[in-house]
Amino acid sequence: GQNIDQPTEMTATEGAIVQINCTYQTSGFNGLFWYQQHAGEAPTFLSYNVLDGLEEKGRFSSFLSRSKGYSYLLLKELQMKDSASYLCAVWGNNRLAFGKGNQVVVIP
Amino acid sequence: NAGVTQTPKFQVLKTGQSMTLQCAQDMNHEYMSWYRQDPGMGLRLIHYSVGAGITDQGEVPNGYNVSRSTTEDFPLRLLSAAPSQTSVYFCASNQRGNSPLHFGNGTRLTVT
Repeated sequence: GQNIDQPTEMTATEGAIVQINCTYQTSGFNGLFWYQQHAGEAPTFLSYNVLDGLEEKGRFSSFLSRSKGYSYLLLKELQMKDSASYLCAVWGNNRLAFGKGNQVVVIP
Repeated sequence: NAGVTQTPKFQVLKTGQSMTLQCAQDMNHEYMSWYRQDPGMGLRLIHYSVGAGITDQGEVPNGYNVSRSTTEDFPLRLLSAAPSQTSVYFCASNQRGNSPLHFGNGTRLTVT
């Protein structure tokens, strides 16, 4: 089975940096995804990590440590439109399992 | 190129009624899946398919049936609706297991 843990909510100021953590336990790990979900909408893909290290994509970066079962998503230069839920998802045993999501609220 | 199309967007059912949630994708993706999303619970996998003619159970399959007769379509059937099935349902597809999911816009289902 898969067990994925994320903190539930955080508030940050526009222009700041925020780090969202995700820890997981799974058999048969084949990659970790981060998705963004705005209220009332479907999730959209942000990043994918399968090897240890940092993947950078514009203002968003994602880090993975497979030995520690740990990932984080780093959001830089926060904008109001970044207010959303951020979902960590682990691919293993032919299925994708999601964490409960971390709600980020950006304030002016 | 429509991506993943889910219908209906909203549905209200009475307890005991049956219905089918439709899902179609036009990206020739092999993998398709159904999730439900409830407050505080995150997205939970109901059923998934790795190709036409192949389906398997996810985390919360009870009360739901699926079939995959074509690559494009993956309908979800509620056999006898219960209030516990009130939720937002998302269909998704991806090219292979470790490629990003493309989600439909969701179906908001209320069972009274």
